[in-house]
Amino acid sequence: DAGVTQSPTHLIKTRGQQVTLRCSPKSGHDTVSWYQQALGQGPQFIFQYYEEEERQRGNFPDRFSGHQFPNYSSELNVNALLLGDSALYLCASSTGPPLGELFFGEGSRLTVL
Amino acid sequence: AQSVTQPDIHITVSEGASLELRCNYSYGATPYLFWYVQSPGQGLQLLLKYFSGDTLVQGIKGFEAEFKRSQSSFNLRKPSVHWSDAAEYFCAVGDTGGFKTIFGAGTRLFVKA
Repeated sequence: DAGVTQSPTHLIKTRGQQVTLRCSPKSGHDTVSWYQQALGQGPQFIFQYYEEEERQRGNFPDRFSGHQFPNYSSELNVNALLLGDSALYLCASSTGPPLGELFFGEGSRLTVL
Repeated sequence: AQSVTQPDIHITVSEGASLELRCNYSYGATPYLFWYVQSPGQGLQLLLKYFSGDTLVQGIKGFEAEFKRSQSSFNLRKPSVHWSDAAEYFCAVGDTGGFKTIFGAGTRLFVKA
């Protein structure tokens, strides 16, 4: 049984560019959450997708957007990259409310130069 | 608003010694509480969770945590630390609406021989 898979594992972009990160949830999970983890900090909630809709959003600008597909996989898009967007982006899947355990992927390490 | 405080940025413990990692939370109702562990370059793995019932919960790898409502705390303990326990530990609170989990800033555990 595959867990949460994310791609790419590492990528380097320059300021102003756009990036797309991908996530496949654990089998049987229908809810995907995205987190940003800056160096030395805890994960910060970006947003959560359920039934192809953004259900809740954290304190992130509109440059951060996402999508969930009918097979429950998800994408995170970040436009107009800033140096401060450099971080580990974590995808977590779960089975929806009531909130239970989050299963995390190993993350996508984004470096913005 | 929900929040999680982990007062200790890092802790060093001798192998075989006992461990306690502190966590305080802020939440209006009975929270869902979690402890996750993150090894270098890895995603997060759930150690244990508290939803209701017995306030002392057992987790994987010999960890346990105690929920104390009066102190708004959920401290993680282990009676005897192994070198492989060296990692970053995150306390988290989940909102009962099922939408998001809020993480603390983490405590880095160092284990010395």
